Amino acid sequence: AQKITQTQPGMFVQEKEAVTLDCTYDTSDPSYGLFWYKQPSSGEMIFLIYQGSYDQQNATEGRYSLNFQKARKSANLVISASQLGDSAMYFCAMREHLSSGSARQLTFGSGTQLTVLP
Amino acid sequence: SQTIHQWPATLVQPVGSPLSLECTVEGTSNPNLYWYRQAAGRGLQLLFYSVGIGQISSEVPQNLSASRPQDRQFILSSKKLLLSDSGFYLCAWTRQGDEQYFGPGTRLTVT
Repeated sequence: AQKITQTQPGMFVQEKEAVTLDCTYDTSDPSYGLFWYKQPSSGEMIFLIYQGSYDQQNATEGRYSLNFQKARKSANLVISASQLGDSAMYFCAMREHLSSGSARQLTFGSGTQLTVLP
Repeated sequence: SQTIHQWPATLVQPVGSPLSLECTVEGTSNPNLYWYRQAAGRGLQLLFYSVGIGQISSEVPQNLSASRPQDRQFILSSKKLLLSDSGFYLCAWTRQGDEQYFGPGTRLTVT
């Protein structure tokens, strides 16, 4: 079974509007972390935001927020006030505590290509 | 601040030739280091990780190997490249935090 599922291969959003990128995960580990990365066409992977499984509040970083619904095992990324520079591939990832041990390995989803329209 | 370097940035190699990709991290000590491969239009696949010098764990059986000769140096190698080795190779590091920080990547084309 897929540990990280991103069901939207591509998304379009109008500049200045908000957009939600979906991510669901599967784990039996009670302790885990969820991450979002942005990959522009240059290829670099840019860390955006992190949510721990025990965090009570949804993570926010500037225009990025993570809509964490633990019971539904979803960790959607919300980008507010989209900008043209937000056009990129976005990856959701998970780190499970027990399986990773000291290695802190991440499992990535297949990504969502976001295009911001002027 | 910490910086991660990868070279070369791009590489075109014939089938059967050897490979050596290098990753170095500056500004930190004893990092965990990772090699990922990303096929065109796909997600990232973890290839190797290392928690210390000489300690390498492989995630998938393949034509590649990794070595960590120094604390902040991680090398990805192959003795004979296959066409299926083509892809975008990313090195990443983490230390005390949970998030991984990635290098700029190497785009490998095997012809």
